[in-house]
Amino acid sequence: GAGVSQSPSNKVTEKGKDVELRCDPISGHTALYWYRQSLGQGLEFLIYFQGNSAPDKSGLPSDRFSAERTGGSVSTLTIQRTQQEDSAVYLCASIGGGSVYQNTEAFFGQGTRLTVV
Amino acid sequence: AQSVTQLDSQVPVFEEAPVELRCNYSSSVSVYLFWYVQYPNQGLQLLLKYLSGSTLVESINGFEAEFNKSQTSFHLRKPSVHISDTAEYFCAVSNTGFQKLVFGTGTRLLVSP
Repeated sequence: GAGVSQSPSNKVTEKGKDVELRCDPISGHTALYWYRQSLGQGLEFLIYFQGNSAPDKSGLPSDRFSAERTGGSVSTLTIQRTQQEDSAVYLCASIGGGSVYQNTEAFFGQGTRLTVV
Repeated sequence: AQSVTQLDSQVPVFEEAPVELRCNYSSSVSVYLFWYVQYPNQGLQLLLKYLSGSTLVESINGFEAEFNKSQTSFHLRKPSVHISDTAEYFCAVSNTGFQKLVFGTGTRLLVSP
């Protein structure tokens, strides 16, 4: 596609349920990031995938959070046993392709707004 | 590891007035610096970036930022703002190996008539 696509755009779930958030990056982009955006918290780094390297998971807030990237393309962020504090907008960004200069621009999706009730 | 501080959570300003949004970073290695903008109900998009060379970088809509290594700053400025500049602005930093792009908490620019 033309841009980064995230689904669903909105998700309401009950506390304790598991959720999966999907990110389709721009075709050919080698790097993929997940961030969490909460009011007053800015963009909190969660996880970073680069090519075939081991992902940088240093931002995942707890072991309830996990992410995978299949075939170097689509990524899924999974939150198990959701809690109310998990409510936020989850953003995905991809980087890569083109010149070295272009390789530093992150292209963001519209995000998934997660509400845990 | 890199980190970014945006001290101002909100900056109110009148139309046609100048504005400066502050950004300070922390890093033990050379960095790339970025400003991203998020207009109301839109996704984040790159506004401008510093990679190397001239320390003053400009955007197509009149914003500029200057990389100051001694002060570890990358403040964003515009000499005359428009209503349409109302948005949230995020400063970001990465090392020059471009691992782990780290964002600040954002500054909401509110331009009023």
